[in-house]
Amino acid sequence: GQQVMQIPQYQHVQEGEDFTTYCNSSTTLSNIQWYKQRPGGHPVFLIQLVKSGEVKKQKRLTFQFGEAKKNSSLHITATQTTDVGTYFCAGEDSGYALNFGKGTSLLVTP
Amino acid sequence: GAVVSQHPSWVICKSGTSVKIECRSLDFQATTMFWYRQFPKQSLMLMATSNEGSKATYEQGVEKDKFLINHASLTLSTLTVTSAHPEDSSFYICSARQRNTGELFFGEGSRLTVL
Repeated sequence: GQQVMQIPQYQHVQEGEDFTTYCNSSTTLSNIQWYKQRPGGHPVFLIQLVKSGEVKKQKRLTFQFGEAKKNSSLHITATQTTDVGTYFCAGEDSGYALNFGKGTSLLVTP
Repeated sequence: GAVVSQHPSWVICKSGTSVKIECRSLDFQATTMFWYRQFPKQSLMLMATSNEGSKATYEQGVEKDKFLINHASLTLSTLTVTSAHPEDSSFYICSARQRNTGELFFGEGSRLTVL
């Protein structure tokens, strides 16, 4: 079945540094979604990418969907302490189910 | 935005008892609800997909007789952990797909501790 791999597992940055997490699927996806989970909280939807090669921005966050619709990335520019949390990508295949990557835990120190 | 309510948020039970967790979409109709399980510092693992009015589809390795799912209406799905054991202790999260937009919303999760 579909597998979603996400790297790195952990990332520790100084406030102001950039951060990127990468997501790869073993199969072609119909769309990919990104979620953020704060410690002790539940996943919160950030964005959905549908089109091949799509790039979307939300303030300091840039999301990309690969041309083959099998990989994606989330880039945060100039991280802030409020960016702390675990970022999950989730790939949706034609079967309509979301399969989550293992997540990247981001720690930002001031 | 749309709200998904999950109840209870925390439950402690004795080994051998059954526990029911509810997932409600408060202001939208959800044709499909998903149940996930999350162990500490791990990702969400899809357990089953619940469609209103039909049987749930379980992922490989998930015991359907152990984790009973009922999706009786467009706004409510329930997960019952039957004859719970300590290894069932986990964080269970539901999500509901909005009928009109297809967007997915998560409940706040239910932490189950089996003694």
